[in-house]
Amino acid sequence: EADIYQTPRYLVIGTGKKITLECSQTMGHDKMYWYQQDPGMELHLIHYSYGVNSTEKGDLSSESTVSRIRTEHFPLTLESARPSHTSQYLCASSATGRDTGELFFGEGSRLTVL
Amino acid sequence: GQNIDQPTEMTATEGAIVQINCTYQTSGFNGLFWYQQHAGEAPTFLSYNVLDGLEEKGRFSSFLSRSKGYSYLLLKELQMKDSASYLCAATDSNYQLIWGAGTKLIIKP
Repeated sequence: EADIYQTPRYLVIGTGKKITLECSQTMGHDKMYWYQQDPGMELHLIHYSYGVNSTEKGDLSSESTVSRIRTEHFPLTLESARPSHTSQYLCASSATGRDTGELFFGEGSRLTVL
Repeated sequence: GQNIDQPTEMTATEGAIVQINCTYQTSGFNGLFWYQQHAGEAPTFLSYNVLDGLEEKGRFSSFLSRSKGYSYLLLKELQMKDSASYLCAATDSNYQLIWGAGTKLIIKP
């Protein structure tokens, strides 16, 4: 069973608010990822990290930031939420090595921006 | 460019067999993954292929042909709980996952 947790699970906020989505994993994985996914659509990589103090931008990174101060923690921040940010946000982690594509996902944070 | 192609939707009957195909184009290749995703839930890992051939895991099997850039996921003895989206993903030369849009599988009684 995967040990990766996201909070909040559901969030409804107003336009312009700053929000942080939390993600923690207890598997000691070096690699962590944030994806955005709309219903029935593909996963889009927002940010990823290969370890502490390492962060990289994905395809949809321009309106958000991440940090990786501790191995187990990888929060995602939206500085000013907009209705276009309404979506499901999935955090994932993976081990380093051969099976690096085997991702363990959190349950997701469903964000609605009014 | 890099892309993954798989059918948008498939329908099958409970108890039957279904094959979901996936073709990929990536810059370099380090493995092919299949994930299952039930509606409203996060994806869960099903299988990994890096060498040509068939990998069997219970009712699910996954096949890879590197020369053809082709994979399939075979589901046997279909159950209603198998109704889900099945995501194909390939890792490129940088071990980055390239995701397909998923195949929605509908199981009918």
